[in-house]
Amino acid sequence: DIQMTQSPSSLPASLGERVTISCRASQGISNNLNWYQQKPDGTIKPLIYYTSNLQSGVPSRFSGSGSGTDYSLTISSLEPEDFAMYYCQQDASFPPTFGGGTKLELK
Amino acid sequence: EVQLVESGGGLVQPGRSMKLSCAASGFTFNNYDMAWVCQAPKKGLEWVATISYDGSSTYYRDSVKGRFTLSRDNAKSTLYLQMDSLRSEDTATYYCARQVTGYPHFDYWGQGVMVTVSS
Repeated sequence: DIQMTQSPSSLPASLGERVTISCRASQGISNNLNWYQQKPDGTIKPLIYYTSNLQSGVPSRFSGSGSGTDYSLTISSLEPEDFAMYYCQQDASFPPTFGGGTKLELK
Repeated sequence: EVQLVESGGGLVQPGRSMKLSCAASGFTFNNYDMAWVCQAPKKGLEWVATISYDGSSTYYRDSVKGRFTLSRDNAKSTLYLQMDSLRSEDTATYYCARQVTGYPHFDYWGQGVMVTVSS
C-alpha cells in the first residue's frame, strides 16, 4: 500500500494568515492526490481533486500543487470556518489511502 | 442536491453482525461507484470497500475481506454494508461516499454512522 505522510500534524495559525499543509507519498502517485476537510462535528467536505482542481463551491483561497511524491494544500488567507482537520488521499494505486491528518487550529 | 444518509449503526457484541445502509438521492445512483470509509475514534480516515456502479465488482481492504459484504440496490438507490464476525477494532464511524472515476476521488460524503463493537 502507498503510505501518505502529512506534515505538520498540528498547525496553529491566525486569522488572515497564509498556511501550507504538506503531503508526501511513499512512491510516485502521478498527481492522483485529493484533499478533504473534516469539521469537529465529523462532516467531511471534498476540497481539491487531482492535485489542483477545486471542487465546486470551494473558495478560491484554497489551492493545491505538487507532483511526483510531494504535494501541498495552501490556504491564502485563513477564515474562521477554515479551522478544521485536513486529509490528503491518493487514488493512484489500490487501495486508496489517506494521510494521518493535519489539525489547523487557532493560535 | 446530492444526499447520502447512513443508518443502521449502534452497539454490537464481538463476533456478531450488523448491516449498514446508505440512502442516496439527488443524483442518478446507478451511474456511480460507491464506497465506505471509516474513522476509528481519534484516528484518521481509512477506505473500507468500493462497489462498481452496477454491483458487478467489489473491492475490500484486507482487514475486512471475508467478513464484510458490500452490495447495492439500484432500484432503491441504496448501498449496504453487511458486517459479520465483528471485532473491537471495527469500532468506528462509517461514512458512505460517492466515488468518481476518471480523476478518482470521493466527491460526496454522508454524515457518518457510529458502530461500536464491545461486550
